[in-house]
Amino acid sequence: GESVGLHLPTLSVQEGDNSIINCAYSNSASDYFIWYKQESGKGPQFIIDIRSNMDKRQGQRVTVLLNKTVKHLSLQIAATQPGDSAVYFCAENILGNQFYFGTGTSLTVIP
Amino acid sequence: DGGITQSPKYLFRKEGQNVTLSCEQNLNHDAMYWYRQDPGQGLRLIYYSQIVNDFQKGDIAEGYSVSREKKESFPLTVTSAQKNPTAFYLCASSIGIDEQFFGPGTRLTVL
Repeated sequence: GESVGLHLPTLSVQEGDNSIINCAYSNSASDYFIWYKQESGKGPQFIIDIRSNMDKRQGQRVTVLLNKTVKHLSLQIAATQPGDSAVYFCAENILGNQFYFGTGTSLTVIP
Repeated sequence: DGGITQSPKYLFRKEGQNVTLSCEQNLNHDAMYWYRQDPGQGLRLIYYSQIVNDFQKGDIAEGYSVSREKKESFPLTVTSAQKNPTAFYLCASSIGIDEQFFGPGTRLTVL
């Protein structure tokens, strides 16, 4: 099966600092990636996506970076706020087949 | 408001009982999915349906059944054959192979 993993299971950051959450994937054929945010007891929410023909994509306060050479994906959150506290996980898709999801990183923002 | 809904939010089942989890979407999405989420693990695909009256097994279909009689609805039945059904169940829908929109989830507990 696919392997989508996160380097750190937990991350604590001070409010106002930037957060970086990492994700490693194992299949070089993966061509579409999504970052989701999941608050406790709720369903995942889409944050940002990126296709394999891009290295970087920016949204509102979030940036996703894709390094295909080392099969690594990261999510950067600028000026982290208490409302950003949640579990973040990545998902990869290979050629339109099913998504494979990482286990998630728990982000805690310290006021 | 367009969206995807799941009911009930909490469900308790006695051993040996079948239970059905509801998933409804009014996003006009063709594809619908059921995932299971366990602590410390990524989402795992149970079943998916890309069109009405058609569905395919995911990675962990044993002990589950689904139907897709209407585009808007994709109920999941957890049968007595599922030996470890306690989990958080998530339903999702999508247009094609892109971003999946998730429902709020159903937490199933076996008593």
